Amino acid sequence: DTAVSQTPKYLVTQMGNDKSIKCEQNLGHDTMYWYKQDSKKFLKIMFSYNNKELIINETVPNRFSPKSPDKAHLNLHINSLELGDSAVYFCASGAGGKNIQYFGAGTRLSVL
Amino acid sequence: AQSVAQPEDQVNVAEGNPLTVKCTYSVSGNPYLFWYVQYPNRGLQFLLKYITGDNLVKGSYGFEAEFNKSQTSFHLKKPSALVSDSALYFCAVRALYSSASKIIFGSGTRLSIRP
Repeated sequence: DTAVSQTPKYLVTQMGNDKSIKCEQNLGHDTMYWYKQDSKKFLKIMFSYNNKELIINETVPNRFSPKSPDKAHLNLHINSLELGDSAVYFCASGAGGKNIQYFGAGTRLSVL
Repeated sequence: AQSVAQPEDQVNVAEGNPLTVKCTYSVSGNPYLFWYVQYPNRGLQFLLKYITGDNLVKGSYGFEAEFNKSQTSFHLKKPSALVSDSALYFCAVRALYSSASKIIFGSGTRLSIRP
């Protein structure tokens, strides 16, 4: 029973393509997040949703568009992929800012 | 600015010896502090947190962390290291963001335990 699951695990694509990463959590949390981890392992928040509402939107290019159809799902769509988008993207969920966040296993995106 | 710093990129310790992974923070208001661990090709896993109360916080896998308000530090410790503790460790702090809050992660410290 995976608490936070994201698909696909690996994504290899060409520059200029559009791709999506899906995330689902079965923990009943209200809040979900997307993080980007670069090649130096630096982890930075991109977006956060609370009950399907966007509450955090860091300075991310508008080629990245999150979508939350319900509070258990937060998908990430990326348009016109660039080389610099290559990274590991992590989905996480939590019950609020004071509380623990639970992370998915990550999606390794490679843009060629 | 709200931030968290991990001054060491890598910490090397012999198995059985005590270990310390350093973390300092800068935050307005009361700090909410966390430690997470990342094993290769995995997501982050929660180890422990400090919200309020005792300065010494105990967590998973025998780890503990000491909150020091005067030094604005939250160092991770373990009395006796295991080879299986080798991983990437992240310190994190809750930061206020408009009407919400977010977690800011440090740059990570790679812990290497040699047999």
